[in-house]
Amino acid sequence: AQSVTQLGSHVSVSEGALVLLRCNYSSSVPPYLFWYVQYPNQGLQLLLKYTTGATLVKGINGFEAEFKKSETSFHLTKPSAHMSDAAEYFCAVRSTGGYQKVTFGTGTKLQVIP
Amino acid sequence: SAVISQKPSRDICQRGTSLTIQCQVDSQVTMMFWYRQQPGQSLTLIATANQGSEATYESGFVIDKFPISRPNLTFSTLTVSNMSPEDSSIYLCSVHTYLNTEAFFGQGTRLTVV
Repeated sequence: AQSVTQLGSHVSVSEGALVLLRCNYSSSVPPYLFWYVQYPNQGLQLLLKYTTGATLVKGINGFEAEFKKSETSFHLTKPSAHMSDAAEYFCAVRSTGGYQKVTFGTGTKLQVIP
Repeated sequence: SAVISQKPSRDICQRGTSLTIQCQVDSQVTMMFWYRQQPGQSLTLIATANQGSEATYESGFVIDKFPISRPNLTFSTLTVSNMSPEDSSIYLCSVHTYLNTEAFFGQGTRLTVV
C-alpha cells in the first residue's frame, strides 16, 4: 500500500521568496516519487522525479526536491518564486517494478503575491 | 515520452445522458489509466485498462457507470453513463511507457452535467 500526504492545501509566497511545498509518503517498497504541476484548465506536467541514485533531484523551472528516506519526505523547493509559478502542485508515489498505479496527494495550490 | 490526445476537451451534458471520452496515444503502451479530478480535489484512479482484457476498477467505481474500451495499444475510451451533476469533474487519461517511470497525462476532459 502507498499513500501521499501534502501539508497545506494553499501556500502563499511573495514574488522572489523561497517556495517550500511539503510532501510525505508511505510505501511498503522503495518508491518512485514525483512532483507534477497543473496550471488552470490544463493537464498535469511532470516537474521532477526521483527513481534511484542522487537524492537531490532538479526539475524544470528551477524547482528541486530532496528524497529523505529517514523522514519519508520529498519536499519541493524553489529559491525564488516567480509569478508564473502560481499553479497547483501534486506529489505522487508509485511502487517500483512493473506497471504500478500512481497515487497522488491532495495537492497544494501555490499563490505568488507580487 | 508519450503524447496523449484526449477528446473532447470539455462538454456540457444533460443529466441522464452518457458521454464517451477518447484517449489516443502516439506510441504503443501496455496499460492506460483513467482518473477523475473533482472540483478542487486531487486525482482519483477510476480504472486501469489493458489491451485485450477487462478493465480493472478501483473501489467505488463500477463498470456499469464507467465502461471502458481498449481495442488496441494506442487507444481507449471511457464512458460516463447516466450522468448526474455529481459526475461533473475533469477526467484524465494517463499512460506509463516501458522506458519511463513517470506517468504521462492528456489535457483532460472537463465535464459539466446540468
